[in-house]
Amino acid sequence: DVKVTQSSRYLVKRTGEKVFLECVQDMDHENMFWYRQDPGLGLRLIYFSYDVKMKEKGDIPEGYSVSREKKERFSLILESASTNQTSMYLCASSLEVSVTYSYEQYFGPGTRLTVT
Amino acid sequence: QKEVEQNSGPLSVPEGAIASLNCTYSDRGSQSFFWYRQYSGKSPELIMFIYSNGDKEDGRFTAQLNKASQYVSLLIRDSQPSDSATYLCAPRNSYGKLTFGQGTILTVHP
Repeated sequence: DVKVTQSSRYLVKRTGEKVFLECVQDMDHENMFWYRQDPGLGLRLIYFSYDVKMKEKGDIPEGYSVSREKKERFSLILESASTNQTSMYLCASSLEVSVTYSYEQYFGPGTRLTVT
Repeated sequence: QKEVEQNSGPLSVPEGAIASLNCTYSDRGSQSFFWYRQYSGKSPELIMFIYSNGDKEDGRFTAQLNKASQYVSLLIRDSQPSDSATYLCAPRNSYGKLTFGQGTILTVHP
């Protein structure tokens, strides 16, 4: 059974703190993604990774960094949390992109982060 | 112009009716198109995807794609209250990146 897990469902942090969000998938997927979801703005891609130690910026990478040391784990790091980073964070994974087949992205349950 | 635009909701239909969800996209390099459903407080789950022009049917769901018009839609036949959710349209480019629309909230009332 497909499974993407995230380290916390709810997280409250203070402005300026360093925040780590962890994502683990057990499907041996090559690709992993981090999104944030905000009302009226939809899902926006922060970073993605298509292989271990590889990363690519998404649409809104500012203020974030990522780490992928192992295939199954993809971490999102907020170096210095700010109130405008209060959001729902969703991790997803998928098989490698194929020209002939579209592999779906499987989403984790999400982490609702509040920065005060 | 937004990269992906979905019909503004909320959309309300009676039980048993057909719900029509629309989506337009700007990137002509988009290769395939995904429809996700998201219940309140939950993460998105895939309903279906389409990559060829025309219709694709899966149970009560039909996806329609017109690449020339840069338009994709999702029809839900015999709508049920359990279909009430936010529906997300997401074109995929050749690198596997999905770009999500803002979503359309659908409410099916008994």
